[in-house]
Amino acid sequence: QKEVEQNSGPLSVPEGAIASLNCTYSDRGSQSFFWYRQYSGKSPELIMFIYSNGDKEDGRFTAQLNKASQYVSLLIRDSQPSDSATYLCAVNSGGYQKVTFGIGTKLQVIP
Amino acid sequence: EPEVTQTPSHQVTQMGQEVILRCVPISNHLYFYWYRQILGQKVEFLVSFYNNEISEKSEIFDDQFSVERPDGSNFTLKIRSTKLEDSAMYFCASRGTGEQFFGPGTRLTVL
Repeated sequence: QKEVEQNSGPLSVPEGAIASLNCTYSDRGSQSFFWYRQYSGKSPELIMFIYSNGDKEDGRFTAQLNKASQYVSLLIRDSQPSDSATYLCAVNSGGYQKVTFGIGTKLQVIP
Repeated sequence: EPEVTQTPSHQVTQMGQEVILRCVPISNHLYFYWYRQILGQKVEFLVSFYNNEISEKSEIFDDQFSVERPDGSNFTLKIRSTKLEDSAMYFCASRGTGEQFFGPGTRLTVL
């Protein structure tokens, strides 16, 4: 059973702080890693993807991948109240690219 | 910007009835997916579809479920005889050569 594990939170950070979200995955054959943001009652929205070990930055977001440790993280700098949402870690293990999701971490940014 | 659309946004049905959920993927995408999310739970993969056939399906996708691409634009999920436990958000997604993009979802309520 291929699993993606996340702490469901909530993770509370003050406005302007760095939010750090973490995820581990069980399948060593996983090839692609995604972070989706999901607001309550809405669909997942892709915010970052990463394929190679190391860091990938996009604006206020940085995704970090460590395949040896089977660990993915997302850093959100200068957190804003509008960043308050559930962040879903998702992993693809090849084939036809189905994605396995974690439970999601609920982030609350306190003004 | 192209987007995945889904209809209806909310479907209420009686247990044992058939429902058809509709999706219009992004026009140049070739891979199509259905996922579901029971309230408070993970987003779960149901099925992937490529080249007019199912490419992969999960244990959830039993004989009560079927998918079809009846024309060049629509992609449908049929549940033949709905059960109470089918109540969930159903998300359609499509992919070209990159990442999956999700539709807004259909909330299915089975009474």
